[in-house]
Amino acid sequence: ILNVEQSPQSLHVQEGDSTNFTCSFPSSNFYALHWYRWETAKSPEALFVMTLNGDEKKKGRISATLNTKEGYSYLYIKGSQPEDSATYLCASLGAARQLTFGSGTQLTVLP
Amino acid sequence: EAQVTQNPRYLITVTGKKLTVTCSQNMNHEYMSWYRQDPGLGLRQIYYSMNVEVTDKGDVPEGYKVSRKEKRNFPLILESPSPNQTSLYFCASSFGSEGKGYEQYFGPGTRLTVT
Repeated sequence: ILNVEQSPQSLHVQEGDSTNFTCSFPSSNFYALHWYRWETAKSPEALFVMTLNGDEKKKGRISATLNTKEGYSYLYIKGSQPEDSATYLCASLGAARQLTFGSGTQLTVLP
Repeated sequence: EAQVTQNPRYLITVTGKKLTVTCSQNMNHEYMSWYRQDPGLGLRQIYYSMNVEVTDKGDVPEGYKVSRKEKRNFPLILESPSPNQTSLYFCASSFGSEGKGYEQYFGPGTRLTVT
């Protein structure tokens, strides 16, 4: 079983602050790294899928980076807004295509 | 509309009474998967399927069965449910081609309570 760790577990920031989260995963047996956004009472929705070392992806104010050699990924949110409040999940896809999720970072953006 | 559907959305049942949660997708996805979500534990993969008639165990397969007889359907079967299977269950699907990275499209979830 792959062990995927996310930090911090929860985070409160003020509107307009920039923030970042960390996801660490075993670098062996790696195929892809996923980031999902999960709002309360909804289903998780994909933000990014990254496969290559050094990958950087961006969607609006949210971006992510990937380091497969050392086994970590960062998710950045620039100028946080209240609507960014959600749980952010990362997941590591192994060579057998088994997907292991971290326990998530719960972000609350205060107006 | 492209979607993953699950039924039922809510279910309360008793210990030992066999049940099936259905999952269907209309996106012609090869890969389908079941997850359970428990407080503090995040999403844990139960079973996944790379294509028709191909299924593999995830991290927590004990007490569950699946089948993949058709590409669009991937039912989750609990032969003898127990209270520790009370959870929120998600079905998801994705393209199985290498270039897509297996991005998961999630269903709406099924909240199961076993008394």
